[in-house]
Amino acid sequence: SQQGEEDPQALSIQEGENATMNCSYKTSINNLQWYRQNSGRGLVHLILIRSNEREKHSGRLRVTLDTSKKSSSLLITASRAADTASYFCATDEGTGFQKLVFGTGTRLLVSP
Amino acid sequence: KAGVTQTPRYLIKTRGQQVTLSCSPISGHRSVSWYQQTPGQGLQFLFEYFSETQRNKGNFPGRFSGRQFSNSRSEMNVSTLELGDSALYLCASSERLTSGTDTQYFGPGTRLTVL
Repeated sequence: SQQGEEDPQALSIQEGENATMNCSYKTSINNLQWYRQNSGRGLVHLILIRSNEREKHSGRLRVTLDTSKKSSSLLITASRAADTASYFCATDEGTGFQKLVFGTGTRLLVSP
Repeated sequence: KAGVTQTPRYLIKTRGQQVTLSCSPISGHRSVSWYQQTPGQGLQFLFEYFSETQRNKGNFPGRFSGRQFSNSRSEMNVSTLELGDSALYLCASSERLTSGTDTQYFGPGTRLTVL
């Protein structure tokens, strides 16, 4: 089963623009992680935000977490063509196990 | 440190056969998890191994099994392959230093095609 939905399913922007992806989940969590996947390859870890954190930054990435709404957003600023990929959020369902439950993903296309 | 490695990268099998996939975690990581990715079901958790013990299992039939060796390397096996087993199989490792969920680092995956 999947934890939740990501919105939008697909996003197409121009280089230099910002991209925002949203993730909703269903259960309580210990943390939420964002991953990137290029064209059917392995997942690259982007950022982990814990349930007691509201916002986290890493380079051009900004992640917010609202546990009351069970939602998170990933903002990529000044997008580049190399950011073209699918982006997934993943949660642990609050179990403490190393089991990630992934969202459906957002396909981002950044055009030069 | 070298990343997570998976072998083979591509595999073609026929229905009814069995297959074994291998995963070598990042040095020092003791937890290895396996995931299946398909267009229809997305990313689904298969199982996690820690210190040679299966700690958690996803909702998959018994045809899917795995094991972990003393050097933390892991294998997963799928017996009596079905067409629906065609997927990208991803392995992830983590340090598991805390009781909570750690960052998981993924390998490049094994693309299995069942004909």
